Amino acid sequence: GNSVTQMEGPVTLSEEAFLTINCTYTATGYPSLFWYVQYPGEGLQLLLKATKADDKGSNKGFEATYRKETTSFHLEKGSVQVSDSAVYFCALRLNQAGTALIFGKGTTLSVSS
Amino acid sequence: GAGVSQSPSNKVTEKGKDVELRCDPISGHTALYWYRQSLGQGLEFLIYFQGNSAPDKSGLPSDRFSAERTGGSVSTLTIQRTQQEDSAVYLCASSLVYQETQYFGPGTRLLVL
Repeated sequence: GNSVTQMEGPVTLSEEAFLTINCTYTATGYPSLFWYVQYPGEGLQLLLKATKADDKGSNKGFEATYRKETTSFHLEKGSVQVSDSAVYFCALRLNQAGTALIFGKGTTLSVSS
Repeated sequence: GAGVSQSPSNKVTEKGKDVELRCDPISGHTALYWYRQSLGQGLEFLIYFQGNSAPDKSGLPSDRFSAERTGGSVSTLTIQRTQQEDSAVYLCASSLVYQETQYFGPGTRLLVL
């Protein structure tokens, strides 16, 4: 079946460290891929997305590249800030109108100064 | 513009009682989704609406769960005879039907005692 697997956390980093959160997927066809972020006490927000192979999504210094050959969509940031502390969810959506998102279990990131 | 809104933000109820959760999607969004976020299960899809019809109810966990949408706008998720395992955050999202990005509300935190 269709699924998303992301690295388990928590991930604890110091400010300005490099971040990678791994995400791999299993899906029929060619899904669209997303990273959502949930800051403490807030709702889910779209962070970035990619709709086809080799696309790179980017936002707020975060990047992820849609790798069809490895079925991956790893999230990276070159220099994290304390304000990046949040839970990050990788998700896929099959390319049919109205299809729901399938989420990974989420990775908690904690950044200290 | 206004985002997705949900009410109540928190709900505490006794086991066996019925609860209703409300979602107001972004104006003009014809697609509406309900998800559930719980500690053990992560983020799970419950039901999808296109207009007032629900082509995909596959995620509803039991017949105690039902949802409706009227006027192509507001949706209500009803849980009858609540159980403790229903305790979770219930999230609503909306999108333009042929766009992929789903925008999430802040959620309703349900606690069943």
